[in-house]
Amino acid sequence: DVVMTQSPLSLPVTLGQPASISCRSSQSLVYSDGNTYLNWFQQRPGQSPRRLIYKVSNRDSGVPDRFSGSGSGTDFTLKISRVEAEDVGVYYCMQGTHWPPGLTFGGGTKVEIK
Amino acid sequence: EVQLVESGGGLVQPGRSLRLSCAASGFTFDDYAMHWVRQAPGKGLEWVSGISWNSGSIGYADSVKGRFTISRDNAKNSLYLQMNSLRAEDTALYYCAKVGNYGDPFDYWGQGTLVTVSS
Repeated sequence: DVVMTQSPLSLPVTLGQPASISCRSSQSLVYSDGNTYLNWFQQRPGQSPRRLIYKVSNRDSGVPDRFSGSGSGTDFTLKISRVEAEDVGVYYCMQGTHWPPGLTFGGGTKVEIK
Repeated sequence: EVQLVESGGGLVQPGRSLRLSCAASGFTFDDYAMHWVRQAPGKGLEWVSGISWNSGSIGYADSVKGRFTISRDNAKNSLYLQMNSLRAEDTALYYCAKVGNYGDPFDYWGQGTLVTVSS
């Protein structure tokens, strides 16, 4: 089974400052079609998760351009260029490459304002 | 507008069964794979099960394999999760989630239905 490891677990950030979250997979996430199915989700307090980034670096509609994704193979990063108050929440990476048999979420990174 | 509305959650005793439903609207349901994801209180997201558009591919997390069964009825635009032999550790908010246009999970989520397993 693919294991997704995120770091840090908690990320206190000053408003207007950048933030970076790391995600590592135990196996390569490059699929046979050449795509890498690594997605990022944001979950604000009390809300359902929302997808921010799909296939490593593609922003979903309506996602501010201060969010960006990068990486390849087994190492991936979500960056927030300038953190705003509405960015508080938990961020999860997720692999969709190894389906079937299954999908895997990282453990989550809690972003909070200092 | 895409909508996913889960139902069927509630309080159930250990060892009993429960069936969750997800009513989908706003998109062509039988074009997309669908999944269930759960979140235990105060914990992270856990993928539970998924099913392809035609039910040809199905997968389960090891934690529910042999106890849960996913199914769909494309004529009714509905996704289901039959949960048997429930355990306390199955207590969670269960989300229905849709796969995106290019096979990318998950572009839309429901609001979730809460399952509590307790005596």
